[in-house]
Amino acid sequence: GAVVSQHPSRVICKSGTSVKIECRSLDFQATTMFWYRQFPKQSLMLMATSNEGSKATYEQGVEKDKFLINHASLTLSTLTVTSAHPEDSSFYICSARERVSLGSQPQHFGDGTRLSIL
Amino acid sequence: RKEVEQDPGPFNVPEGATVAFNCTYSNSASQSFFWYRQDCRKEPKLLMSVYSSGNEDGRFTAQLNRASQYISLLIRDSKLSDSATYLCAVQPLNTGFQKLVFGTGTRLLVSP
Repeated sequence: GAVVSQHPSRVICKSGTSVKIECRSLDFQATTMFWYRQFPKQSLMLMATSNEGSKATYEQGVEKDKFLINHASLTLSTLTVTSAHPEDSSFYICSARERVSLGSQPQHFGDGTRLSIL
Repeated sequence: RKEVEQDPGPFNVPEGATVAFNCTYSNSASQSFFWYRQDCRKEPKLLMSVYSSGNEDGRFTAQLNRASQYISLLIRDSKLSDSATYLCAVQPLNTGFQKLVFGTGTRLLVSP
């Protein structure tokens, strides 16, 4: 089945640090990847949609200058949390959909990155 | 009203029980529906897609009721390993990139 790899799985760093998270589709091409954030006991909240070769589409309330997204190839999207602060501590998860023209394919998720800002 | 709503639970059931969850959605034009399972501190994993005709995968049955705008998940003969949070996901029709909207999840606890 489709596999999505996310790295790193855990980050602990000081306030003010920028953190880069990678999301890779390992056995399929993904023109679209999605970045979510999940706080404890809450649902997945979509932050942005990452499109290969174009700018990301951010959800309302998500600062594009704070959360930089780059989708440079059909198998890689990166999320950079710039100047992270304690309130940015969360579980960040990416997902990807296979590049198919017919039907609606489910999203496959990466393992997630648990970010802790001290 | 939230786009996708679920009873957060927890649903506490004994092994072997049958349990059912519902998930309501507000956008009547929604076109695709999924159930995901999420274990504590892990990523969601696709459990099954939900088709208009309903579908079954072993002990799991998913159904869609478009008239009442809800999807359901039935688990028969519950196992201890079924303990998890079950997320429903809905794809609204008017989303250009086919993004999914998730419910908050229903927590299931299966006890011996």
